[in-house]
Amino acid sequence: RKEVEQDPGPFNVPEGATVAFNCTYSNSASQSFFWYRQDCRKEPKLLMSVYSSGNEDGRFTAQLNRASQYISLLIRDSKLSDSATYLCVVNPAGSGNTGKLIFGQGTTLQVKP
Amino acid sequence: ETGVTQSPTHLIKTRGQQVTLRCSSQSGHNTVSWYQQALGQGPQFIFQYYREEENGRGNFPPRFSGLQFPNYSSELNVNALELDDSALYLCASRGSYNEQFFGPGTRLTVL
Repeated sequence: RKEVEQDPGPFNVPEGATVAFNCTYSNSASQSFFWYRQDCRKEPKLLMSVYSSGNEDGRFTAQLNRASQYISLLIRDSKLSDSATYLCVVNPAGSGNTGKLIFGQGTTLQVKP
Repeated sequence: ETGVTQSPTHLIKTRGQQVTLRCSSQSGHNTVSWYQQALGQGPQFIFQYYREEENGRGNFPPRFSGLQFPNYSSELNVNALELDDSALYLCASRGSYNEQFFGPGTRLTVL
């Protein structure tokens, strides 16, 4: 079983749609959680950290369910510029000081006009 | 921009050769990590350097090695290149909450 699993998609949605991405992780003691965005042939960029209480940044909402080892990202009112690959990322237990991050495979989003 | 820079941008090598990739981390960030990203996959952790010492390593063979210098810049060296080493190599500096800020990467092609 992969340490971080995501549905690779692609998700094809019209502009203005709401889309949700899900991710599961295997290490129940994992400490930090993130969503990164990666455009084609570019480096990953931090989209948002994910907190146990959930957090929101504009059109983006991230949720963490530690009991189910599940992370989600909701994008409301999709824009063409949201088209990218979204990476679910976990900092596993025992590596809090090493900064090792475990990345999912990524979920591809394509927003159509 | 993250302030993390990498060189070169692209590189083509042949099997068996050696390669050195370079990274300058964000000012004041003393922890540098290297990741390998194959096409269609998420980045895979290679190793991390803190204060010029390796202090964490992923599932990569010893022919992947690194250095960190007093100014926190870093090098990734790969010996005896194999075809499967073709990938995007990313350098990242670590923020205060274990988030990583990535450089633009070096795209290595091994022929």
